[in-house]
Amino acid sequence: EAGVVQSPRYKIIEKKQPVAFWCNPISGHNTLYWYLQNLGQGPELLIRYENEEAVDDSQLPKDRFSAERLKGVDSTLKIQPAELGDSAVYLCASSLQGTYNEQFFGPGTRLTVL
Amino acid sequence: AQSVTQLDSQVPVFEEAPVELRCNYSSSVSVYLFWYVQYPNQGLQLLLKYLSGSTLVKGINGFEAEFNKSQTSFHLRKPSVHISDTAEYFCAVIPQGSNYQLIWGAGTKLIIKP
Repeated sequence: EAGVVQSPRYKIIEKKQPVAFWCNPISGHNTLYWYLQNLGQGPELLIRYENEEAVDDSQLPKDRFSAERLKGVDSTLKIQPAELGDSAVYLCASSLQGTYNEQFFGPGTRLTVL
Repeated sequence: AQSVTQLDSQVPVFEEAPVELRCNYSSSVSVYLFWYVQYPNQGLQLLLKYLSGSTLVKGINGFEAEFNKSQTSFHLRKPSVHISDTAEYFCAVIPQGSNYQLIWGAGTKLIIKP
């Protein structure tokens, strides 16, 4: 069974440019998460989806970040415009619906903003 | 507010020696506890979890952890480490009755010396 797929794995852009990350969760997983991970820190939740509905986006900086999961399967996270402080690893995870089901993580996208 | 503290940012240990990675949490309610591992250039993977029952939990790759409610700790142990255990280890909790958000520690890098 394929795991969580993310692309691209690495992205280098100049500040003020837009960038998008794509995630395909494990088949059958209703819940999808986007996290941000800075060096030397644990992941920070950006947004959580149950199917196509964003049920927790309280920590998503909505002035520049947006996300969508139109058909309740794959998802895209966008930053526009990117700032230097956005340099980090962006992780996608998925799980079966329910509170304590194991979250399966993708390898992440490492973003460098110059 | 809940928080997770991993007391050591790095733990160097000789191959085949035992290791303990420490995790303490702070919460006004009961929590569910997790340990995740992140191998170099890979996604996070669940090692083990405590939801209820026996306070000694066994996970993958020979790791185990013990939940100590009075000390609010969930330390991770392995009796004999191998080079392949080189990774970053993250402790995380979900407060009961919360919105299911994992609260993460900052991680501990396990460095195996040959």
